[in-house]
Amino acid sequence: NFMLTQPHSVSESPGKTITLSCTRSSGSIASAYVQWFQQRPGSAPTTVVYESDQRPSGVPDRFSGSIDSSSNSASLTISGLKTEDEADYYCHSYASASRVFGGGTRLTVL
Amino acid sequence: EEKLVESGGGLVKPGESLRLSCAASGFDFSSFSFSWVRQAPGKGLEWLSSINGGSSLIYHADSMKGRFTISRDNAKNSVFLQMNTLRAEDTAVYYCLRDGVPLWGPGTLVTVSS
Repeated sequence: NFMLTQPHSVSESPGKTITLSCTRSSGSIASAYVQWFQQRPGSAPTTVVYESDQRPSGVPDRFSGSIDSSSNSASLTISGLKTEDEADYYCHSYASASRVFGGGTRLTVL
Repeated sequence: EEKLVESGGGLVKPGESLRLSCAASGFDFSSFSFSWVRQAPGKGLEWLSSINGGSSLIYHADSMKGRFTISRDNAKNSVFLQMNTLRAEDTAVYYCLRDGVPLWGPGTLVTVSS
């Protein structure tokens, strides 16, 4: 099996751009789609990126996903940060018979 | 509106069983795979089990094999998680998650305590 490693926490100021990383421990990051989920305190997760770079309807285009095979990682970039973006962000991907979540990154916008 | 709603959570004693349900509406249920995911208090998300549309492909996390079983009833637009021999460490919010454009339910809380 593989692991997805995310930084524990990051912080940035409103209006800035931030990129959250998700590194796959083994196997190619391009071998399976990556999803990104946002979870605000006390709420269920919601999807901000699916199939590595697709945004669900209703998610602002300030959120974008990508993968980088050279670093075997996926990234979630949030531009024009707003205080409402403050949340935990989880990446998620697949292996042949299992699914894996990253440990989550707590984003603080201050 | 596409929607998932979990039910069946509650307070149980160690060693007891519980069956969680996830009711889906607003989309073609049988076309999608579903997963159960849990989140212990203050912790991250943990994948438990997945099932495809025809129930021919079922996967469980190694740590859950033998205790938790996923199933579905396409006629009732529902997915289930049978949880046996519950332990205190199974205390968590349990979420239903649809594939495709991922869709989450609000979750149901399971508390295992004597």
